Amino acid sequence: EIVLTQSPATLSLSPGERATLSCRASQSVSSYLAWYQQKPGQAPRLLIYDASNRATGIPARFSGSGSGTDFTLTISSLEPEDFAVYYCQQRSNWPPRVTFGQGTRLEIK
Amino acid sequence: EVQLVESGGVVVQPGGSLRLSCAASGFTFDDYAMHWVRQAPGKGLEWVSLISWDGGSTYYADSVKGRFTISRDNSKNSLYLQMNSLRAEDTALYYCAKDDGPVRGVIIGNFDYWGQGTLVTVSS
Repeated sequence: EIVLTQSPATLSLSPGERATLSCRASQSVSSYLAWYQQKPGQAPRLLIYDASNRATGIPARFSGSGSGTDFTLTISSLEPEDFAVYYCQQRSNWPPRVTFGQGTRLEIK
Repeated sequence: EVQLVESGGVVVQPGGSLRLSCAASGFTFDDYAMHWVRQAPGKGLEWVSLISWDGGSTYYADSVKGRFTISRDNSKNSLYLQMNSLRAEDTALYYCAKDDGPVRGVIIGNFDYWGQGTLVTVSS
């Protein structure tokens, strides 16, 4: 089973700053890596799919990069509504399996 | 507007059974694969199961294989999760989620719409 490790566990930044979140896979996942945002009491929201494609309606300040085993989610300039927990997620085609990272909490400094 | 509304979560004793439901609207339900994803209180996300658009293919996480059964009724725009032999570690908020794959195509395994979840508590 592929394990996703996110770092850091908690990231403390101020609005306007740049956020860089990391996700490392235990083996190559090609570009089959997605990112989700979850706010308290809400369901997750898809931000990025296939490593670098923004989902519908996601602001341009969110970007994803990477391939193979190392991936990054970047938020170019933090807005107050961006403080949340972020999860990376990989999918394997056969057999179909999905795994999530343990999450990075982005908190206001 | 896409809506997914889960129901059926209750407090159940270890070893018990439960069936969760998810009512879908706002999209052509029988065109897409569907998933169940769970989240234990204060913890991360765990994928549970998926079903193809026609119900012909189902897959499970190892943690629930042999105990949970996913199904769908396309005539009712509904997704189900039959949960048997429940354990304390199955306690979680259970979300249904739509696969973002193409219409009646390959299962992608990303989730573009989620419900708000239904809480299952396994406790004596």
